[in-house]
Amino acid sequence: EPEVTQTPSHQVTQMGQEVILRCVPISNHLYFYWYRQILGQKVEFLVSFYNNEISEKSEIFDDQFSVERPDGSNFTLKIRSTKLEDSAMYFCASTSGTGNTEAFFGQGTRLTVV
Amino acid sequence: AQSVTQLGSHVSVSEGALVLLRCNYSSSVPPYLFWYVQYPNQGLQLLLKYTSAATLVKGINGFEAEFKKSETSFHLTKPSAHMSDAAEYFCAVSDEDTDKLIFGTGTRLQVFP
Repeated sequence: EPEVTQTPSHQVTQMGQEVILRCVPISNHLYFYWYRQILGQKVEFLVSFYNNEISEKSEIFDDQFSVERPDGSNFTLKIRSTKLEDSAMYFCASTSGTGNTEAFFGQGTRLTVV
Repeated sequence: AQSVTQLGSHVSVSEGALVLLRCNYSSSVPPYLFWYVQYPNQGLQLLLKYTSAATLVKGINGFEAEFKKSETSFHLTKPSAHMSDAAEYFCAVSDEDTDKLIFGTGTRLQVFP
């Protein structure tokens, strides 16, 4: 069964450092997303990506964040200068369409900023 | 703006008992509604979705949900809980104009023997 894979599963970084979270979406999917879940809180939308550009982003997704699809398989989330409050579980998701189409989620990357 | 509200952050049931997890939505247009489950240390897995084809939706693992427009609800039920159902359950909404999911705060289900 196709799945979304994320690496690493856990990343610890010092405040102010850059991190790149990696995702391999399902191969024939066209829409890609990043969500995050701060411990004990709900899952929040960060950004959606379609046709090699951002289609929507939340207010959380400020200038410190960027996304990229550097090749035909990877989808990355970069945080340029991490803050303590960036500590969260980050989920990548992909879909073949929009609206009622099922989003497939990866297992997440737990980012801990110290 | 669309939103979902999940009443009860924790629900505990005995094995074999009815499971009822509540979700109410707010939407100005007919919504697409989803229930996702998150097992410990895993990602989110789709349980079921409402797409206006039928108000009673059956999902995986014996779960079902009923869309009630008059109550703006989409509660998740299972007639008989299993120990393996212990997980976090999230209700979510999306619409045709936005491809993002808006999640509720989640309900942690505990099942006791």
